[in-house]
Amino acid sequence: EDQVTQSPEALRLQEGESSSLNCSYTVSGLRGLFWYRQDPGKGPEFLFTLYSAGEEKEKERLKATLTKKESFLHITAPKPEDSATYLCASSGGGADGLTFGKGTHLIIQP
Amino acid sequence: GAVVSQHPSWVICKSGTSVKIECRSLDFQATTMFWYRQFPKQSLMLMATSNEGSKATYEQGVEKDKFLINHASLTLSTLTVTSAHPEDSSFYICSARGQGVSKNIQYFGAGTRLSVL
Repeated sequence: EDQVTQSPEALRLQEGESSSLNCSYTVSGLRGLFWYRQDPGKGPEFLFTLYSAGEEKEKERLKATLTKKESFLHITAPKPEDSATYLCASSGGGADGLTFGKGTHLIIQP
Repeated sequence: GAVVSQHPSWVICKSGTSVKIECRSLDFQATTMFWYRQFPKQSLMLMATSNEGSKATYEQGVEKDKFLINHASLTLSTLTVTSAHPEDSSFYICSARGQGVSKNIQYFGAGTRLSVL
């Protein structure tokens, strides 16, 4: 059974304090590893897709990386508007949909 | 681009009634649409997958007679919760994948909060 585990569950940072979020996955035949941002009461907003180990993608203060077992979302010099829940999801195996982790609730304090 | 609209955003209904939720892709053709459910502080759980013009494929444990899915066009899918009960109260989110956008990415609607009294 495909599994996605995210850590930490919650993270509180000061504005400008860089950190990383972790996503461990177990998928047979990974087709893609996805990162989404979800604000309270809203649907997930797409951030990145990674397809193979060693791949990296960047967007503003965010950078996502992928290994054979984990993905990391690095946040550099975050701002309060980066506060949200960050979701990791995998696509693979026999399923067509995404398998999501529970997310990391990130709070950036000014 | 890649906008998915979901309606309504919030619905309250009485136990035993049916509720319909609409999911529309506004600027691309959604060949595949997905329905997820999210309980508080839990991850999104896939309920079903539908391809335009075909019957939906339901995940194990999801009652297909209770959660009716129709994907009649390339821009519209509906989820009908029949004979809703309080345990069906949840956050329902649709997503779409298709032509004219990156084909491997699912784009999500804003979700529908269902409260059954």
